Amino acid sequence: DVKVTQSSRYLVKRTGEKVFLECVQDMDHENMFWYRQDPGLGLRLIYFSYDVKMKEKGDIPEGYSVSREKKERFSLILESASTNQTSMYLCASSRGSPSDYGYTFGSGTRLTVV
Amino acid sequence: QKEVEQNSGPLSVPEGAIASLNCTYSDRVSQSFFWYRQYSGKSPELIMSIYSNGDKEDGRFTAQLNKASQYVSLLIRDSQPSDSATYLCAASNSGNTPLVFGKGTRLSVIA
Repeated sequence: DVKVTQSSRYLVKRTGEKVFLECVQDMDHENMFWYRQDPGLGLRLIYFSYDVKMKEKGDIPEGYSVSREKKERFSLILESASTNQTSMYLCASSRGSPSDYGYTFGSGTRLTVV
Repeated sequence: QKEVEQNSGPLSVPEGAIASLNCTYSDRVSQSFFWYRQYSGKSPELIMSIYSNGDKEDGRFTAQLNKASQYVSLLIRDSQPSDSATYLCAASNSGNTPLVFGKGTRLSVIA
């Protein structure tokens, strides 16, 4: 079965810490995406990547960066965590164009910044 | 700005009834449409995709697309309490562009 694995289900970090959220997919998908989901705001795209070492900004990239050194792994980095980054973070991947097959989501990381 | 609009709900239906979930989109060039189901505290899972005008059926689920009206819907027949979840509609242009999601409709099926 196709899998997107996010390393942590729940995470609590302090304000100002550098935070790494890891996402690994085992499907040889080219495309990977990071979203955050907040009540009333829906899913908001942070960054995405269509190939190794490539990255594109989404709708809300401020305060975040990403790394894609290997095809299967896409990391989201919070450079200096702030309380307004408390959220559910969802990683997704797609085989080929997203318009063809949609996304497969990971199980999510619920991050709390205190 | 590309937008996908959904009524947030909650939409309450009795067990065994048909639940009708609706979605409109702003970008006329959108080609592909997806319905995701998300249980509370879980991640979204894909339940239906539709690419052409008309109806597409899969078990108790039917997706409907009307590109002229820029309207997508999801019908759930014989609704069960286990169908209670938030349903997300997503649209995509052709090519390598990310999906655009609506904020979701919360469905509650009452036993």
